[in-house]
Amino acid sequence: EAQVTQNPRYLITVTGKKLTVTCSQNMNHEYMSWYRQDPGLGLRQIYYSMNVEVTDKGDVPEGYKVSRKEKRNFPLILESPSPNQTSLYFCASSPSGPTYNEQFFGPGTRLTVL
Amino acid sequence: SQQGEEDPQALSIQEGENATMNCSYKTSINNLQWYRQNSGRGLVHLILIRSNEREKHSGRLRVTLDTSKKSSSLLITASRAADTASYFCATSTGSNYQLIWGAGTKLIIKP
Repeated sequence: EAQVTQNPRYLITVTGKKLTVTCSQNMNHEYMSWYRQDPGLGLRQIYYSMNVEVTDKGDVPEGYKVSRKEKRNFPLILESPSPNQTSLYFCASSPSGPTYNEQFFGPGTRLTVL
Repeated sequence: SQQGEEDPQALSIQEGENATMNCSYKTSINNLQWYRQNSGRGLVHLILIRSNEREKHSGRLRVTLDTSKKSSSLLITASRAADTASYFCATSTGSNYQLIWGAGTKLIIKP
């Protein structure tokens, strides 16, 4: 089944404790992206990757890191999480850029930073 | 940056009625997409309309685009309980790598 998977789905952590949210897609997509969703703000893009080893900042990259060492994986790293990073996070992928392509979304990771 | 603004923010209708939601944006676009999100879940792509198209249909969905008014509407006909969800518009303005998202319309279908 074609899908985007994220792990973990739920995470409660404390301020400053490094964490990684994994994202994997099995559709051989070139483009992958991370978003955060907060009430009333819609989706805001954190980082995106056009291809392996090519990443760029989205609208809200502060406090996050990403890497794209393999085509299928695009982990999101929070080196020192803070409470303002409490949010619902989505990974998405598409065959190429999202302008003319449908994006496929993962199920989401609900992160709480205490 | 938030370009799309959906209207209304929330909409509650009876099953079987039609639901219309609107999206307005600020700058010229290449295309506009609509997505659906069931509560707390990932978004699902519904339809993409290009800037040179005025109307597009997919099943019970009808999307219109008026570039002169910088607005789009999504019509869901003969609504069903399963249509209860939030609906988002996303616009592309030039970059092939980023979409700009609205805050969404929450649609509730009452049985």
